[in-house]
Amino acid sequence: KAGVTQTPRYLIKTRGQQVTLSCSPISGHRSVSWYQQTPGQGLQFLFEYFSETQRNKGNFPGRFSGRQFSNSRSEMNVSTLELGDSALYLCASSFREATSTDTQYFGPGTRLTVL
Amino acid sequence: GENVEQHPSTLSVQEGDSAVIKCTYSDSASNYFPWYKQELGKRPQLIIDIRSNVGEKKDQRIAVTLNKTAKHFSLHITETQPEDSAVYFCAAKEGYSSASKIIFGSGTRLSIRP
Repeated sequence: KAGVTQTPRYLIKTRGQQVTLSCSPISGHRSVSWYQQTPGQGLQFLFEYFSETQRNKGNFPGRFSGRQFSNSRSEMNVSTLELGDSALYLCASSFREATSTDTQYFGPGTRLTVL
Repeated sequence: GENVEQHPSTLSVQEGDSAVIKCTYSDSASNYFPWYKQELGKRPQLIIDIRSNVGEKKDQRIAVTLNKTAKHFSLHITETQPEDSAVYFCAAKEGYSSASKIIFGSGTRLSIRP
């Protein structure tokens, strides 16, 4: 079974631009969670989607948004990029909602650099 | 909401010795505690998890203990090997809420000295 995939793997943007990241979960998984990883901050929860509905949201500004499609693929969008948005963005999928205790499987991440 | 603190932030041990990483959590209703290992340049991978109805769980050289009263849990790695070098993250799932989420600690960079 193929693992979680994310595209693109690397992105370079400038301040003020917007960016869209994509995550394809493991086949059959309906939950996709997004995390921001920065040095020293660990993994910060952004949001979770399950069956096309946002189930939960972390403490990030409204510039961060996402959606999930009927095939469970998810996209994350960041508008009006700031230097502090530079990070590794990871998505993770699980069969049931993240509120279950199903294992979350992570993708390789998208490395976003904002200049 | 849940808050997870992880210590130490860096840990260096001699190959063959044991390593212990400790985490505390704030939400007494939390009921699921996974541990992830992230090697350099790779994705985090689950290495072991424990649920709140269990006090200890072992998987070969790795063990996790949970003390619900004190609200802390620990990862123990015995007979450490070079391939154990990585960043380890603990996490806790907020309990009893339909809006619960998994909160991660800030990570421990483990280095194994030859």
